[in-house]
Amino acid sequence: DADVTQTPRNRITKTGKRIMLECSQTKGHDRMYWYRQDPGLGLQLIYYSFDVKDINKGEISDGYSVSRQAQAKFSLSLESAIPNQTALYFCATSAAESYEQYFGPGTRLTVT
Amino acid sequence: GESVGLHLPTLSVQEGDNSIINCAYSNSASDYFIWYKQESGKGPQFIIDIRSNMDKRQGQRVTVLLNKTVKHLSLQIAATQPGDSAVYFCAENNYRVMLTFGGGTRLMVKP
Repeated sequence: DADVTQTPRNRITKTGKRIMLECSQTKGHDRMYWYRQDPGLGLQLIYYSFDVKDINKGEISDGYSVSRQAQAKFSLSLESAIPNQTALYFCATSAAESYEQYFGPGTRLTVT
Repeated sequence: GESVGLHLPTLSVQEGDNSIINCAYSNSASDYFIWYKQESGKGPQFIIDIRSNMDKRQGQRVTVLLNKTVKHLSLQIAATQPGDSAVYFCAENNYRVMLTFGGGTRLMVKP
């Protein structure tokens, strides 16, 4: 579904490098989320934003930061990547006061 | 394709049979539940939702059952097809209008 796009789709980086994952949406939603998915686990919330000026930590925010550049754009940064941050990363959006979230296709990040 | 979970509980069913995927939720105060389907290499996609004032809701080939007494949710898929092979997640609402996701179940459909 092209409504929520993520770049890059795959990335291999080295320990200590800074990396940014980008998310854009054309759904006009105010709310955006970043999740991490590890094998055998569900989706864990890293950060969420209910509007451009409202950014909040999720359950696993350590080692990550975010930027909400506009309503349509929400970026996730790893300031100094470490191997245990190797995972699938998903961006999602939702309308205000709606629980249903729409997910992007994901970014597979490998930290060596 | 990508594997989203090497150690997920797995349900294996024959094509044409019905599938039942179960989920236990944690918060008795949750009043909204949703099922997502995640195919290999893709993000989760909405299947069906249900509010706590309902016990059952039906969609196209899918039915969700909610048992609030034992905090249990199930997803039934009728006449399972190869295209149903995926990982299925349940989620419940929490504070600030967000979702908490369960660990997922992998459904494998045998031809």
